[in-house]
This record gives sequence, C-alpha cells and structure tokens, in this order.
Amino acid sequence: QVQLQESGPRLVKPSQTLSLTCSVSGGSITSGDSYWSWIRQPPGKGLQWIGYINYNQYNPSLSGQTYYTPSLKSRLTISADTSRNQFSLYLSSVTDADTAVYYCARYDSGLFDSWGLGALVAVSS
Amino acid sequence: EIVLTQSPDFQSVTPKEKVTITCRASQSVGSTLHWYRQKPNQSPELLIKFASQSVSGVPSKFSGSGSGTDFTLTISSLEVEDAATYYCHQSSALPQTFGQGTKVEIK
Repeated sequence: QVQLQESGPRLVKPSQTLSLTCSVSGGSITSGDSYWSWIRQPPGKGLQWIGYINYNQYNPSLSGQTYYTPSLKSRLTISADTSRNQFSLYLSSVTDADTAVYYCARYDSGLFDSWGLGALVAVSS
Repeated sequence: EIVLTQSPDFQSVTPKEKVTITCRASQSVGSTLHWYRQKPNQSPELLIKFASQSVSGVPSKFSGSGSGTDFTLTISSLEVEDAATYYCHQSSALPQTFGQGTKVEIK
C-alpha cells in the first residue's frame, strides 16, 4: 500500500503562487498505470478534484500527461520528479477562495485508493 | 461537468439504525460511481467501488447499489464510529466530480 505525504508552505499571500509537494513511499510513481492527483476541500465544504499527472509503465509515451479541472486550468501546473518519487502542485494568482485542505491521492483503476493526510493552506496577507 | 446530488445533506441517526444515502447524477455514469467516508479531521477513505463492489478491509455493513444516474449507499447497522461525512464520486468523465456530501450524526 502506497503512502502519500503533502509538504509545503501553509500560508500564501494573495496573488502569489501556492506550491505543494507530495512524497510517495511504498511504491514508485512510474509503476503500473496510475494518476497522481490533487484534490482540495475548502473549510467546511466538499471535495473538489483539481487535476492529475499520469505515469504508465506499459505505455511510456503517455507518461507525464496532465489533466486539469477547467475552472483552475489557467492557473494550474502539476509536475513530477520521478527521481525523488514526488509530484507537485503549483497554483498561481491565489485568492481567499483558494484557502483549503489540499490532499494528494493516487487514482488507479478508476478510483482514489490512497490519500495523503492533507495540508491546510491559507491565503492571507 | 457531471453534477452529483446527494440526499439528504444531513442525517441524525440512532446506533444500530439503518442508514440510506442517495446520489443522483446529472447524466449517466454507468457503474463508475464510488463512495467514500470522511471522518472528522481525516482523509476520505474508499468504502464501495463501482456502485456495488466491496472494498478489501471495509466492513460488510456497507453496501451499494444502482447504475446509470441513481445510486444508494446503505449502512445496515450504524455504529458510533460511523459518524462522518459520506461522499459519492464519479469517474465516468472529466472533470472528476464529487457529491456535496451527507453528514451523518449519532443521536
């Protein structure tokens, strides 16, 4: 069973870029056909899928492909460092509305089967 | 975007009572509908996959049914530890979406 752990600044100023990294242990992000995901949850609210990056050992030409939710696509980048077994989220031009708990998760075989503990990131001056 | 609407939003339940939560999709998702439980201050955990399939390690008191646009999660006998918010999730089409959640409180 893989384990995921979010890390990064917990306080970001408005208009700046929010950045978080997810470290994966217990398995390689390049093995199998998994999508390494970010999901967020504003305080007291529901879950919002942000996007993911795919690694496919069976079809390496597809690896590194990203998929983003349309509402955030213009501000969002998800990337990975396979040598460190990590993937990262970068969300630019943040506002109060981006304050949330950010979870990293593995999406495999059509569902989110492993989740990190979550990181509360506040946007405030 | 496929919108998932859960009902009810909130339910207060006595231990050992049966709980039923529904999830309606704005368009057909086939059987690509999953259920998660999120206990307070914890990450979500998968309960039921593909509408009705059990998940290893999850108690058999949790069951799911449905296909297309209408789905149900049933907890056969509620325990105190089941106080949580329950979410449905569809993986039929991008963007992936979740229901708004159903909070289950213990009376």
